[in-house]
Amino acid sequence: QVQLVESGGGVVQPGRSLRLSCAASGFTFSNYAIQWVRQAPGKGLEWVAIISYDGSNTHYADSVKGRFTISRDNSKNKVFLQMNSVRAEDTAMYFCARDNYDNDGYSYGMDVWGQGTTVTVSS
Amino acid sequence: SYELTQPPSVSVSPGQTARITCSGDAFPKQFAYWYQQKPGQAPVLVIYKDTKRPSGIPERFSGSSSGTTVTLTISGVQAEDEADYYCQSTDISGLYRNVFGIGTRVTVL
Repeated sequence: QVQLVESGGGVVQPGRSLRLSCAASGFTFSNYAIQWVRQAPGKGLEWVAIISYDGSNTHYADSVKGRFTISRDNSKNKVFLQMNSVRAEDTAMYFCARDNYDNDGYSYGMDVWGQGTTVTVSS
Repeated sequence: SYELTQPPSVSVSPGQTARITCSGDAFPKQFAYWYQQKPGQAPVLVIYKDTKRPSGIPERFSGSSSGTTVTLTISGVQAEDEADYYCQSTDISGLYRNVFGIGTRVTVL
């Protein structure tokens, strides 16, 4: 079935690095953009980053720009989120979600989500 | 920074209609998307491109747009509709950014 599975979360000290993975199955992965969205404990959704279907375009939220890097390996059906110089405010559940765009560049919405992986930044 | 404004909570009796508004300067230039999230679960897309319903989403969920405000309507609310609902859109300032509203907690009385 169509599925996204996140992994790589855990407890990390402030200033250190962590790499999250998002593994896709059940659909043609290389046709879809992938987004990362996070949710701090008890808080709302916050968009983090997006990578285009072929990896040629990436965009980031101001809160993570310069610290996080999104990448993908279409041969392995995976997207990665490299998190450097993490801060306490990066503590959250991290979700990956697939997205697709029409010919005018408008999104069809994030229609498939993973169950998330938890990142805790603490000394 | 671009913001989407939603009410923090809406209460509704079973069988009644719930309406959740979302205001943003990018509307109607940009589309709105609505997500439902139940406790401990991942979000689910319930409306895309302002008014379109993904397959598998009940017909009681509908979306509309008027000027700088979009609205998610749940007609004939059921107990299972109790959840947080988030609107989402894209900043049009020139830099690509997706933005979520703060979320609206729908309580079924």
